[in-house]
This record gives sequence, structure tokens and C-alpha cells, in this order.
Amino acid sequence: EADIYQTPRYLVIGTGKKITLECSQTMGHDKMYWYQQDPGMELHLIHYSYGVNSTEKGDLSSESTVSRIRTEHFPLTLESARPSHTSQYLCASSESGRSAGELFFGEGSRLTVL
Amino acid sequence: KNQVEQSPQSLIILEGKNCTLQCNYTVSPFSNLRWYKQDTGRGPVSLTIMTFSENTKSNGRYTATLDADTKQSSLHITASQLSDSASYICVVSDRGSTLGRLYFGRGTQLTVWP
Repeated sequence: EADIYQTPRYLVIGTGKKITLECSQTMGHDKMYWYQQDPGMELHLIHYSYGVNSTEKGDLSSESTVSRIRTEHFPLTLESARPSHTSQYLCASSESGRSAGELFFGEGSRLTVL
Repeated sequence: KNQVEQSPQSLIILEGKNCTLQCNYTVSPFSNLRWYKQDTGRGPVSLTIMTFSENTKSNGRYTATLDADTKQSSLHITASQLSDSASYICVVSDRGSTLGRLYFGRGTQLTVWP
């Protein structure tokens, strides 16, 4: 079992609300990622971090922001949610020092914006 | 363009039967290929990893093969069980940089019927 946790699992909110999706891991991994997944589609990388105070945007343009103040914590924030943000968001981590190590995923946060 | 294509998109089999899922990729230069299993509403979990020099690797009832010349991989499931119902995702990593970029397939949705 991977020790990576996401909250909330499900969230339904109205347009314009600010939301934060939490992600924490207890494995001491330096690398952390946020992916967006829609039904029948591949995972798209939206943010990643290789350590504290290091964050980068991924391949898929996203209006969300992330922070990495602590190694174990990698929250994702949407300042003003819109229906187009409705999706499944997956957080993952991997060991440092390996170019393409195994990804350990959280259970996901399913966001619905009305 | 680096891509990962999986087939079939979906598959229904009866419990106890075998099946084979396919993954074709154009990622270059190739580093490794992983198969992940994603249960409905959960995050993906790694099943196997294949490196350039490996042809076959087994993990219980799961056997992955890799043909680096034709850039094809397969995942064979033997004596399927109801718990095998899930999406199986092929993920290929390149070694074009020290970071090891990941390319995701869209997955094969497997349903096992009793």
C-alpha cells in the first residue's frame, strides 16, 4: 500500500469558489506530481515538484497553482473554479535520484463544478 | 511525436479465461515501460516494469512482454478473476533528459464477468 493521501475524495462546488486539493505522502519522496484524468483519456501532467520550494508547470495548461513548503505536502489550489475544471485529479510521488521511478498514486480527488 | 497507443480500448471476458492487452509506442530514446492497474475510483498501481534488455517479466498471473525492436509490449492475464476488472495503463519513459519524461496510454478497460 502506498502512503500517499488525498483529500477530499469528492467535491461538488459552485462556479467561482476557491478550492484546495490536499496531497500528503509519508514516504519521504522528493518528487511529487499532479495529474488530471478524464474518462477514457490519458493522464495529463499539470504540475510537478522535485523538492521543497521547487514547482513547475506540466504539459497540460492549468489555471491551478501548487506549493511545496514541506517535503510531504503538495496542495493544489484553484482560485476561481469553473465547470471546465470538472475532472479527476491524481497526486503522485516517486523516489528521488531515479530518472523514471515508479509512481505512487493517491486515491484521487473527483471535482465537480456546477 | 512521442506517443503510446493501447488496444483494445475495452474488453469483456469470462472469469477464468486468459486475455492479452497491447501497447505500441513511438517514444524515443526509450528508457522503460510500466504497466499500471487502475481500479474504478482508485489511483493507478504499478504491476511491472520492463527495461530495454528485458523480454518477459511475470508478476503472479500477469506477464508482460517487450519487443524493443518493434516498440511493442503486451500484458497477458492468466486465469482471470473478477478482481482483474480495471483499467490497465501503459506508461513509457524516455531517457532524453535526466528527468525521464512519462508518456501515458489511454488504457484498456477490462471487465471480467462471472
